[in-house]
This record gives sequence, C-alpha cells and structure tokens, in this order.
Amino acid sequence: KAGVTQTPRYLIKTRGQQVTLSCSPISGHRSVSWYQQTPGQGLQFLFEYFSETQRNKGNFPGRFSGRQFSNSRSEMNVSTLELGDSALYLCASSFRRGPGTDTQYFGPGTRLTVL
Amino acid sequence: AQSVAQPEDQVNVAEGNPLTVKCTYSVSGNPYLFWYVQYPNRGLQFLLKYITGDNLVKGSYGFEAEFNKSQTSFHLKKPSALVSDSALYFCAVRDEKKSSGDKLTFGTGTRLAVRP
Repeated sequence: KAGVTQTPRYLIKTRGQQVTLSCSPISGHRSVSWYQQTPGQGLQFLFEYFSETQRNKGNFPGRFSGRQFSNSRSEMNVSTLELGDSALYLCASSFRRGPGTDTQYFGPGTRLTVL
Repeated sequence: AQSVAQPEDQVNVAEGNPLTVKCTYSVSGNPYLFWYVQYPNRGLQFLLKYITGDNLVKGSYGFEAEFNKSQTSFHLKKPSALVSDSALYFCAVRDEKKSSGDKLTFGTGTRLAVRP
C-alpha cells in the first residue's frame, strides 16, 4: 500500500508570493492533518481535515489555509509569504475511526524556502 | 493544554549498549502517547503507541516504551543500540477528549547518536 505522498518535495518562493502544497493520504484514510517543522519552533500543528471539513486548527495566522477534497486529498495554501514561513511542511493521514486512538502516518514533507 | 517534554537534546550511546530516550507529558484527560523517528530529509516514521492496557509497549525495529502514569512519563528504550538507530526521535501526545481530533502535540525532539 502506498504511503502518504506530498508534492512538490522542494519549493523556493520569494516574499509576498503564495504557495499551494498537495497531500495524498494513504488509501482509505479519511483524516488529513498538516504540521509545520522549523528548527526554532519544532513541530507545530496547522490544521486537520476530515470529510472535507476543517475539524481542528492550530495557532497560525489566516494566511495559512487548507482544504480537503472528496477523495480525501488535501491542499494547503500560504498567501503573502514571509521569510519565517520557510519550513518543512508535513502532511499526515489516519483512518480516524476512534476517538483519538488512530495512528497518524506522515509523508516525506515539502521543504519550502522563502527568499 | 497538552504538552510534552523531552529533557535531553541529545543522547549518546555506544553500539550494543541499551538506550533510553526520555519523555514526560501533561494532559487533562487520559493520554494517548506516540513515538516517531525522523531520518535526515525524511518525514516522521511511526514507532509505537500507548492507548490503554499493558504499560510496556513494543514497537518497530526492537524499540519499546514504558508508560508510567504516576510519573507521567513514556520513555523509549531499546536493549541493544545500532548505528542505524542514529536519528531524531519525537514523543507526542494526544488528549483523549474527542474534541482534540487527530491533533498531536510533539516534544522538541531528541537526537540519538550511536557510535560504533
């Protein structure tokens, strides 16, 4: 079974631009979450989608947004990029069967560099 | 609010020796606890989890972890370290309350270095 896939793997943008990252979950998984990983802040939760609805949101500005499609694929968008948005963006998926007991499986991440 | 502490930035062990990576947590309800490993330029790989039941949890690649409710700890262990175990290890917690959904709160990570 294929794992979580993320595209693109690497991305270079300049300040003020916007970017869209894509995530395809493991087949059958219905929940997709996004995390930002930086050396200074570590791993921080961005948001979670289940059945095309945002179920949970982390403490990030409104420039960060996301969506989930009917096939469970997800995209996240960052508008008006800032230098501090440079990070590894990780997508994770799970079956979301139980009340928080499911394991999240992570993709390889998208490395975003903002110049 | 839930939180995780990994008190050691780095752990150094010799190959063949036992290893321990420490983790303590704080949640309001019962915890669901996870360990992940990250190799350079890769995502996180799931190692093991504690949901309920036996306090000693066995996972992938010979790793195990012991849940201790009174000490609010979930230390990762392996009886005999391999050089290939050298990586960044993350402990994570999820609150049992359903409103938390799938959100994981991670520790800051511990770098494990196994010398030959």
